[in-house]
Amino acid sequence: QITLKESGPTLVKPTQTLTLTCTFSGFSLSTTGVGVGWIRQPPGKALEWLALIFWDDDKRYSPSLRSRVTITKDTSKNQVVLTMTNMDPADTATYYCAHRRLGIGLPGVVGNTQNWFDPWGQGTLVTVSS
Amino acid sequence: DIQMTQSPSSLSASVGDRVTITCRASQRMSTFLNWYQQKPGKAPKVLIYAASNLQSGVPSRFSGSGSGTDFTLTINSLQPEDSATYYCQQSYNTPYTFGQGTRLEI
Repeated sequence: QITLKESGPTLVKPTQTLTLTCTFSGFSLSTTGVGVGWIRQPPGKALEWLALIFWDDDKRYSPSLRSRVTITKDTSKNQVVLTMTNMDPADTATYYCAHRRLGIGLPGVVGNTQNWFDPWGQGTLVTVSS
Repeated sequence: DIQMTQSPSSLSASVGDRVTITCRASQRMSTFLNWYQQKPGKAPKVLIYAASNLQSGVPSRFSGSGSGTDFTLTINSLQPEDSATYYCQQSYNTPYTFGQGTRLEI
């Protein structure tokens, strides 16, 4: 059974750096194909994908946040860390981490494997305020 | 980036009704489309992956279809517990993108 849980501060001041940790179990980030992503959701708004890290340390970022976000992994601790610099009240949101599941053998296109986020962590609400 | 346009943004239906939610992508993406259900205060859960595959444990009244740019989530015989917000998500390439969500009121 795969589980993930986010941890970190619930309140940060504007301009500070946010560091969130996703601690997971039930899979290894050293296994080929595995990935963990971060997604956030401002109160009452839609989901926004932030970043993704793969088993081989390949990293992908949202272009709109690329200059502020860093994703790293600690395979030995089963953790993925998201850091976001220069926090602003507009960054107030619930932050989720999620396991990226692969659909090996499902129809798709050559060189691209079906994938989806399952499961998700419970989320952690981060408020940015002075 | 692939833009996902989801409609309607909200709808109200009755128990036993059939509802359809659509998602349109700004470029062709085969069947790399997933649907999630989110209830208030909870994390999203996948309902349908790869456009038409039902996640294990999800009731069979949920179904998905589509390919290319146009996708549909259909819920047959609505139940009270289906009241939630539904999101589509493209997984064709990064940056992954979500639709704006559809709030379903029963």
